[in-house]
Amino acid sequence: DVKVTQSSRYLVKRTGEKVFLECVQDMDHENMFWYRQDPGLGLRLIYFSYDVKMKEKGDIPEGYSVSREKKERFSLILESASTNQTSMYLCASSLGQGDNQPQHFGDGTRLSIL
Amino acid sequence: EDQVTQSPEALRLQEGESSSLNCSYTVSGLRGLFWYRQDPGKGPEFLFTLYSAGEEKEKERLKATLTKKESFLHITAPKPEDSATYLCAVSRGSTLGRLYFGRGTQLTVWP
Repeated sequence: DVKVTQSSRYLVKRTGEKVFLECVQDMDHENMFWYRQDPGLGLRLIYFSYDVKMKEKGDIPEGYSVSREKKERFSLILESASTNQTSMYLCASSLGQGDNQPQHFGDGTRLSIL
Repeated sequence: EDQVTQSPEALRLQEGESSSLNCSYTVSGLRGLFWYRQDPGKGPEFLFTLYSAGEEKEKERLKATLTKKESFLHITAPKPEDSATYLCAVSRGSTLGRLYFGRGTQLTVWP
């Protein structure tokens, strides 16, 4: 089974802090994704990566950056955290090799910015 | 612009009362349609992929079907443990693996 592991289940930070969310997958997947999920808004794509050191903006990239230095690891960075970034953050990965592969998700990080 | 619309937003069923969830999509060049289950406080869990109109997939009390415009997730004789949010997503060509998600249907099955 695919295992996607997010480093923290719960995280509390203060406004203005630089925040790092880490995600690791163990299935040699090409693609990795970061979403945030808010009540009533569904899943919104922040950034994704289709290869090491490659990244693409999703629908809501403002205030975020990402890093993919190794194939198995994809990091989401909040450059200067703000209260409107309080949310559930979900990481996912997929095999690549075309556009018809399911994504497999981690259990999420619930981030609170005070 | 919504490309994936799920209905209803919420559904309450009595145990054993069969029903269907709907996912309609407007993307052209559909490459695949995916169903997920999400429990509170957890990430979505992959259930099915459907690739072409007429295709069906089954897993326990769940059966997913696909037409050219929509997909249905049929739940037969549901149990309380089927309570969850069910998400639908689609993929289209040349998107580097990106999926487009609907907002989900929150299903509650009461005993």
